[in-house]
Amino acid sequence: QVQLQESGPGLVKPSETLSLTCSVSGGSISSYYWSWIRQPPGKGLEWISYIHYGGSPYYNPSLKSRVSMSIDTSKKQFSLRLTSVTAADTAVYYCASSHTISAAAIRWGQGTLVTVSS
Amino acid sequence: QTVVTQEPSVSVSPGGTVTLTCGLSSGSVSPSYYPNWFQQTPGQAPRSLIYSTNTRSSGVPDRFSGSIVGNKAALTITGAQADDESDYYCVLYMGSGTWFFGGGTKLTVL
Repeated sequence: QVQLQESGPGLVKPSETLSLTCSVSGGSISSYYWSWIRQPPGKGLEWISYIHYGGSPYYNPSLKSRVSMSIDTSKKQFSLRLTSVTAADTAVYYCASSHTISAAAIRWGQGTLVTVSS
Repeated sequence: QTVVTQEPSVSVSPGGTVTLTCGLSSGSVSPSYYPNWFQQTPGQAPRSLIYSTNTRSSGVPDRFSGSIVGNKAALTITGAQADDESDYYCVLYMGSGTWFFGGGTKLTVL
């Protein structure tokens, strides 16, 4: 089964760029849909983006101007970049995978807390 | 902008049946929205329960079922157990490659 592990800085300064990586094991990175989802402390889930190998990424319209997502097949990783962060971007960030377009996320990483603070 | 709606909180008695719903602030949910349901307990990553309206994810007991009821997606839990007490989220596919989550339902088993 696919296993996912997020990595990246736990603290980012306001106005800087948040960068996270998700490492994939147990499955081919070219066979699945890969997503990023976040959850501010004490709040609900927010879908950020997804990508399928060989395709273009899709983004939440509310974040589209600041977010980008990419796949590195050689490293079996996919990444998230969120620019110009503010305190509102403080959240647990999850990477996730799905084997079908009709499932937003089947397998989830454990999540990583990113705090935006000076 | 269309909002995905869920009941903020619902309660059920142990052994009972409960239905959580997922709707739209404008319009009706249909299978083309590929409703998904997730369960989340505090401090844990969400767990996929249902995708594409009524397909159970691997390992999910058949006490959990998904459907369309009226103009909403529905998650029904039969024979509720204490460890079903969790937050439940739905997400809908809105087209153009985008998904939107509902605000979540806190289920209490008492």
